[in-house]
Amino acid sequence: GAGVSQSPSNKVTEKGKDVELRCDPISGHTALYWYRQSLGQGLEFLIYFQGNSAPDKSGLPSDRFSAERTGGSVSTLTIQRTQQEDSAVYLCASSFSQGSYNEQFFGPGTRLTVL
Amino acid sequence: GENVEQHPSTLSVQEGDSAVIKCTYSDSASNYFPWYKQELGKGPQLIIDIRSNVGEKKDQRIAVTLNKTAKHFSLHITETQPEDSAVYFCAANAGGTSYGKLTFGQGTILTVHP
Repeated sequence: GAGVSQSPSNKVTEKGKDVELRCDPISGHTALYWYRQSLGQGLEFLIYFQGNSAPDKSGLPSDRFSAERTGGSVSTLTIQRTQQEDSAVYLCASSFSQGSYNEQFFGPGTRLTVL
Repeated sequence: GENVEQHPSTLSVQEGDSAVIKCTYSDSASNYFPWYKQELGKGPQLIIDIRSNVGEKKDQRIAVTLNKTAKHFSLHITETQPEDSAVYFCAANAGGTSYGKLTFGQGTILTVHP
């Protein structure tokens, strides 16, 4: 079956521009996570959705970052007024339900480059 | 919050040798420890996980051990093959939460030489 998909796969933007990153989770998965992976680093948690609500936004680096999820499915991560330090791979993961033991399935990521 | 340290950052072995990657965590309430493999240009993929009520788990050539007292866990790969070459990440869930927020280690680049 189809896995988690993300678009675009690559995004190059100029400093100060806004960007939107999209995640399509596995059908039927109610939990959705966004992580950021900087070059040579581990994954950094950004935000978690259960259905359309986001109980934990604690990882968002600043108020320039926001995310929403509609219809319990697609999620969009928006970065406003991008900065060079925002350059990273943004990974989305979904799991069947919330709960610590549910496997998180990752998408291929969106590589964001801010010039 | 949880902090996960992973060592070594790079590991080079000959085909057929064993590879061991070690991680420590800080939050004693963490109870789930997955290991992910990430190949170039792809997202991480779960290869094995362990819960805190188990000390060891095996799946063919890979095994994970957990020492709750010392708060460390390790990945063991035996009879390594070139296709095992990838970046490996350990992770721990956020203790005290009811969902799967994960804190990841910094990753280990494993290279298996034919």
